[in-house]
Parts: sequence; C-alpha cells; structure tokens
Amino acid sequence: GENVEQHPSTLSVQEGDSAVIKCTYSDSASNYFPWYKQELGKRPQLIIDIRSNVGEKKDQRIAVTLNKTAKHFSLHITETQPEDSAVYFCAASRNTGFQKLVFGTGTRLLVSP
Amino acid sequence: ETGVTQTPRHLVMGMTNKKSLKCEQHLGHNAMYWYKQSAKKPLELMFVYSLEERVENNSVPSRFSPECPNSSHLFLHLHTLQPEDSALYLCASSQGNGVNQPQHFGDGTRLSIL
Repeated sequence: GENVEQHPSTLSVQEGDSAVIKCTYSDSASNYFPWYKQELGKRPQLIIDIRSNVGEKKDQRIAVTLNKTAKHFSLHITETQPEDSAVYFCAASRNTGFQKLVFGTGTRLLVSP
Repeated sequence: ETGVTQTPRHLVMGMTNKKSLKCEQHLGHNAMYWYKQSAKKPLELMFVYSLEERVENNSVPSRFSPECPNSSHLFLHLHTLQPEDSALYLCASSQGNGVNQPQHFGDGTRLSIL
C-alpha cells in the first residue's frame, strides 16, 4: 500500500523567510497530492493540492511542486507570517472510485516575529 | 466554514460505556470518512462510505461500528473502548465521483477513555 514520509517534523523560521516541507510517496499510481494546515485545536484545512498531470501549482504565497519520477512533492511558503504557524500535513491518493488519502506525519511550522 | 459538523466536541467515557459520534455535512457530497488522529501519528483512515455504502474498513477493531443512514449523516458507534482509543476523531466528506476531490473536515470529537 501507499506510504508517505514527511520532513522535517519541526521547522522554525523568522517572519519573512521562506519555508519548505518535503514529502515522498511510494505508490507510483498515486495521482492526487493535497496539503492541509491544522492550527491548534482546529480542523485540518486544505490549502493547496496538485494532480499528477502538472508539475507546479501556485496560490499567492503558497506553491507546491511535484516530481513524479522521484516520487516526491514539496510545499513552499514564501514571506512567512506568524499566522502561518501550524501543523502541515501532506497526503497522497490514487483514483479508486473513492478517495483513500494516506497522510504524512506532519510538520510543525513555527514562524517567529 | 461549517460545511461539516461533528458532535459532541468532547467526550469522556468509561471502558464499558456505549456512545455515538455524529457527523453531518451540508456540502452535497456523496462520500464520507472517519479518521483517527493521535499525537505524533499521521491521520489514520478508519472507514469510507461512498453513496451510503461502506467501501473501506481499514482494519478497525469491531468496537468501532460506523453507520451511514444517508449521504449527509455519518455515525461512529463506540462500545467497550480501550484507553489507547483516546484520540481526536475527525469526519470528512468529499465529492466522490471517481476523480479525486478535496476532502473537507469537521472540527472533530476529542475522545477520552477512562
């Protein structure tokens, strides 16, 4: 079955710096890769996703890149702000008629003012 | 966002109790999911319902029993739980039409087993 590994487990940056979180997956048939942000005591919220037919997607300060050959994908946050502090989860799934997301272990991002 | 609502938000129960968690989605989705979130572990998929039919049971012990009476409601019935079952239980929904669509999560039920 699918296995998703996520690094680093914690990441501390200064406000205004960039942050990069990396994930690798094992199932070459996986074709959908969402990223979720979970603030303390709150629900996971989708912040960006990418499908295997594209290599990069951007939404304001957030971007995701996908390398299908190497089976890894990354989340890039530029100009970080204190409100970006949260736990970020990557996930992967394949089309099976229903969605079976396999999540990474999460990265705790701390942005210091 | 109040598209996926879970009740109760917190639940404390003894190992011999029976209780149920409830999830309701107002997004018109036709797939619903239960996840378990424990500290320092990835979200673990427990059950998937698509068009009210259970399509995935991820080796979950029988003390957890899901029920999906219609496409908007999902329950998780709990019976004779163990201390290691203490966790945050998250419900999610998506439009399951065979093409991967984003899952939307509820706020979860924080479950504590005494």
